[in-house]
Amino acid sequence: QVQLVQSGAEVKKPGASVKVSCKTSGYTFTGFQVHWVRRAPGQGLEWMGWINPRSGGTNFAQKFRGRVTMTDDTSTSTAYMELNRLISGDTAVYYCARHRHDYGFAFDVWGQGTMVTVSS
Amino acid sequence: SYVLTQPPSLSVAPGQTARITCGGINSGTKTVHWYQQKPGQAPVLVIYYETARPSGIPERFSGSTSGNTATLTINRVEAGDEADYSCQEWLDGGDLWVFGRGTKLTVL
Repeated sequence: QVQLVQSGAEVKKPGASVKVSCKTSGYTFTGFQVHWVRRAPGQGLEWMGWINPRSGGTNFAQKFRGRVTMTDDTSTSTAYMELNRLISGDTAVYYCARHRHDYGFAFDVWGQGTMVTVSS
Repeated sequence: SYVLTQPPSLSVAPGQTARITCGGINSGTKTVHWYQQKPGQAPVLVIYYETARPSGIPERFSGSTSGNTATLTINRVEAGDEADYSCQEWLDGGDLWVFGRGTKLTVL
């Protein structure tokens, strides 16, 4: 059974950083890119970027370049997303998801979400 | 920036048909997908590759495109279909993904 299990909720102050983990199981970690998506209160889903666990390559939405880092640990099949210089507008639920090439790059499995609250 | 346009909300009576549109997609693209998200839950893929349904998604859910608009159709709407529905497109030119703002479906 394919599963993506994320780390717990975080509360951070403006200007700080947050690192969210996504532990995968039930499939070959290096065979699928892992994406990060967020949903702020009252807003729609927002794609942030992806990491390719096979190569370590990454690609980010323009909005997050320079402020986000995505890494992985193939020994534990875990992906990480770190967002720096947090502002109140970064308050959101952050999700990791896997895409399937044979599904037209749709996201077929998602983590349960991690609530990140940015507040002074 | 690339924008996919969805109506913010749609209300439908049980048993009726809901049609949710997503405007601004690349004409001819096949890599358009739809997600259902209920409060407090992660999104669930309901349509991929424009028209295909993942295993476990009822046949009442279908997708189509015409020109620059994709449409998610839900036949015989049930109370359990009440959720936010978001479209997504893969932009192969930049290997980027973009979501619509989402449509909140209310079942009356």
